[in-house]
Amino acid sequence: EDQVTQSPEALRLQEGESSSLNCSYTVSGLRGLFWYRQDPGKGPEFLFTLYSAGEEKEKERLKATLTKKESFLHITAPKPEDSATYLCAVQARDTGGFKTIFGAGTRLFVKA
Amino acid sequence: ETGVTQSPTHLIKTRGQQVTLRCSSQSGHNTVSWYQQALGQGPQFIFQYYREEENGRGNFPPRFSGLQFPNYSSELNVNALELDDSALYLCASSSGGRGHEDSAFFGQGTRLTVV
Repeated sequence: EDQVTQSPEALRLQEGESSSLNCSYTVSGLRGLFWYRQDPGKGPEFLFTLYSAGEEKEKERLKATLTKKESFLHITAPKPEDSATYLCAVQARDTGGFKTIFGAGTRLFVKA
Repeated sequence: ETGVTQSPTHLIKTRGQQVTLRCSSQSGHNTVSWYQQALGQGPQFIFQYYREEENGRGNFPPRFSGLQFPNYSSELNVNALELDDSALYLCASSSGGRGHEDSAFFGQGTRLTVV
């Protein structure tokens, strides 16, 4: 069964304390892996798309990497404004088209 | 702001009723996807439309249906509402083409409450 699992469920960091969020996936026919940020009461905000193992992308304090089984979102020297839920999603082939599967997210809290 | 607009923002319906949610895609985007997000959970894929054709569907019953119009705006229709349909419904538009959601942009969502 296709599955996306994110860990940890919640993460509390001090400002400046770097860490990583994990997204492991089991899916056939992977077309892409996506990272989003979601603030309370809002829709997800697109961060990155990764297509193949070994690919890396960076944006400000965030860096996303991809292997054949998992992806990591590295947060370097986080600030309180980085506090949000980070969602991982994979898109895969399906009968009749494609499907997108999201993980449950990692809630990040950064304390000043 | 992403340019993706959903209406209404909040809605209360009675069990058994029907509801239509609307989404206006970002200019230039030809692909739209709909998601259901329960509190504390990740979004669940309902279906995707590309150039007015359904391009993929998640594990939702047929009472969840959709349309995409020539201007690429979209509707999500839910018939025979159940209490478990209460959730945030999200629309996402992209321009990646068939099955490709590169740089998808989400709307702010419609909060549906079924009583």
